[in-house]
Amino acid sequence: DTGVSQDPRHKITKRGQNVTFRCDPISEHNRLYWYRQTLGQGPEFLTYFQNEAQLEKSRLLSDRFSAERPKGSFSTLEIQRTEQGDSAMYLCASSGIMRGRETQYFGPGTRLLVL
Amino acid sequence: DAKTTQPPSMDCAEGRAANLPCNHSTISGNEYVYWYRQIHSQGPQYIIHGLKNNETNEMASLIITEDRKSSTLILPHATLRDTAVYYCIVRAAHYNQGGKLIFGQGTELSVKP
Repeated sequence: DTGVSQDPRHKITKRGQNVTFRCDPISEHNRLYWYRQTLGQGPEFLTYFQNEAQLEKSRLLSDRFSAERPKGSFSTLEIQRTEQGDSAMYLCASSGIMRGRETQYFGPGTRLLVL
Repeated sequence: DAKTTQPPSMDCAEGRAANLPCNHSTISGNEYVYWYRQIHSQGPQYIIHGLKNNETNEMASLIITEDRKSSTLILPHATLRDTAVYYCIVRAAHYNQGGKLIFGQGTELSVKP
């Protein structure tokens, strides 16, 4: 399977713990995006990278959140001191060019539950 | 905020065409219309995109009005597996202008036997 992969698919943690999620993009894609989706809502943008550079961060990305893409390939999203409000699906997408235009392809997501 | 308006839900009979409308009255000349869908508990799936001409691929057809203020996604022969939330998104698609997708609430399509 050459699509976007995410690990783990599910994570249950206790409030106050740190968690880290990984995203492996489609290999030739140099842009990588993170989104968060809460129940009943559409995904919300968190941040994106072009190669190693983090080019935009949403104000949703509080100082407890940090994302990295150290070698321009896989990316990690870490949440420190988790809160119950962090419970959500965390989605990763990578983008390539289709018919001359950028198109994002999503992974299956990591579902986080903070108890 | 999302720049599109969609009905919250629609039903469609299996085997019939599903026509999902989207209003994007403030669309700019350099913005494309993208459609994604999200089947329960999965990541969004790209369906199709277009600028001003009608587009068709193996999944769907996209009809964009001449003034580009609205569009319709057509699933020609809906199956039960097409039950999902469908998102219509407007965004600049040139690579140097590209970036985040802004999702609205989408349309929850239920295909019924």
